[in-house]
Amino acid sequence: NAGVMQNPRHLVRRRGQEARLRCSPMKGHSHVYWYRQLPEEGLKFMVYLQKENIIDESGMPKERFSAEFPKEGPSILRIQQVVRGDSAAYFCASSPREGSNQPQHFGDGTRLSIL
Amino acid sequence: QQQVKQSPQSLIVQKGGIPIINCAYENTAFDYFPWYQQFPGKGPALLIAIRPDVSEKKEGRFTISFNKSAKQFSLHIMDSQPGDSATYFCAASKDTGFQKLVFGTGTRLLVSP
Repeated sequence: NAGVMQNPRHLVRRRGQEARLRCSPMKGHSHVYWYRQLPEEGLKFMVYLQKENIIDESGMPKERFSAEFPKEGPSILRIQQVVRGDSAAYFCASSPREGSNQPQHFGDGTRLSIL
Repeated sequence: QQQVKQSPQSLIVQKGGIPIINCAYENTAFDYFPWYQQFPGKGPALLIAIRPDVSEKKEGRFTISFNKSAKQFSLHIMDSQPGDSATYFCAASKDTGFQKLVFGTGTRLLVSP
């Protein structure tokens, strides 16, 4: 499968725990986007990363959320001290290069549930 | 100004019908308008996209109509099939060097046999 791979597909955490969501972009893609989808809503942009660089994190909550895309390995979205409101589907997308005409290919998401 | 408003919220058509989904935007800096299809438990998949320099684009049974002066665009699905039953999202982005997509709230389409 050469698509965008996200894991885990489902993640359950208790309030106060940490959640780590992983995204492996499509082969040859070096640009990663993270989006959050609340129930019955559209996707909301969170952050855009290139290898080892955060380019735009204007959609990320200021506290508890962080993202990285290291030189080797998947992109990680990290949520510390999770709260009930963090329950959502988190989608990762990748594109091969920069440019507004580069289509984004989405993974199947991680469904995060907070108990 | 960053919002994209999508309607209707849900839509039921019979097989062979032509569902139409509408979106409106305010930010005139938007210059890329894609439509995504999402099945339950899956990520959004790009269907078709349009830029403001054309008023219509067709790909297979899917057509985007674009009205730049009204700041509106719509998706038409010709000869709809039960397999088209899914949630459809419109989106928009501006030319900032990368696609920072702003999504509509989605339309849940059901095509009855």
